Amino acid sequence: DSGVTQTPKHLITATGQRVTLRCSPRSGDLSVYWYQQSLDQGLQFLIQYYNGEERAKGNILERFSAQQFPDLHSELNLSSLELGDSALYFCASSVGGGGGTDTQYFGPGTRLTVL
Amino acid sequence: AQSVAQPEDQVNVAEGNPLTVKCTYSVSGNPYLFWYVQYPNRGLQFLLKYITGDNLVKGSYGFEAEFNKSQTSFHLKKPSALVSDSALYFCAVRDGGNAGNMLTFGGGTRLMVKP
Repeated sequence: DSGVTQTPKHLITATGQRVTLRCSPRSGDLSVYWYQQSLDQGLQFLIQYYNGEERAKGNILERFSAQQFPDLHSELNLSSLELGDSALYFCASSVGGGGGTDTQYFGPGTRLTVL
Repeated sequence: AQSVAQPEDQVNVAEGNPLTVKCTYSVSGNPYLFWYVQYPNRGLQFLLKYITGDNLVKGSYGFEAEFNKSQTSFHLKKPSALVSDSALYFCAVRDGGNAGNMLTFGGGTRLMVKP
């Protein structure tokens, strides 16, 4: 168990809908990262927050947004969902800002199915 | 830009035999290299990392990895495979000479250990 928690474990929704995925980092970690894992795209970095501020942005669609709250938990919001958004969404956390020797620890993931 | 290649989609090995999972990378600065393992319906678990120093890095569950700068490789090894090692393995790289923090993952290699 990495200490990173994600809810819900599974989410089934319809096209056009909006969902929110939640992540709590390991105790003491200031950075939260979001990744999408799909069969055709592999593991793709979406976005990173460090101590409440956006730190790095990857292949995140404009329909997706995220934020990190003062208690350091993070939420990933996915809107106007399409069938292709069906994937496993991982959250990871690290102690520092992500550079250098910083190691990311992953949560168990949220499996999103869009019907 | 940084990239990782895992040339084998699947590696098959008999229990008790040594195993190697291959990884090659490309970065413009110094490479920071990581191995993660993903068991079915689980998140990624950190195995080991290379930052600097000894080219042979030891990690969790008896795994080790050898950094080879001239061949830009970071192969994962274990002297004696267990059936329980069967899982999906990901290599990842971060460019230490770059101000960005993005971790780039390879496509993953499925390890199958047969009894």
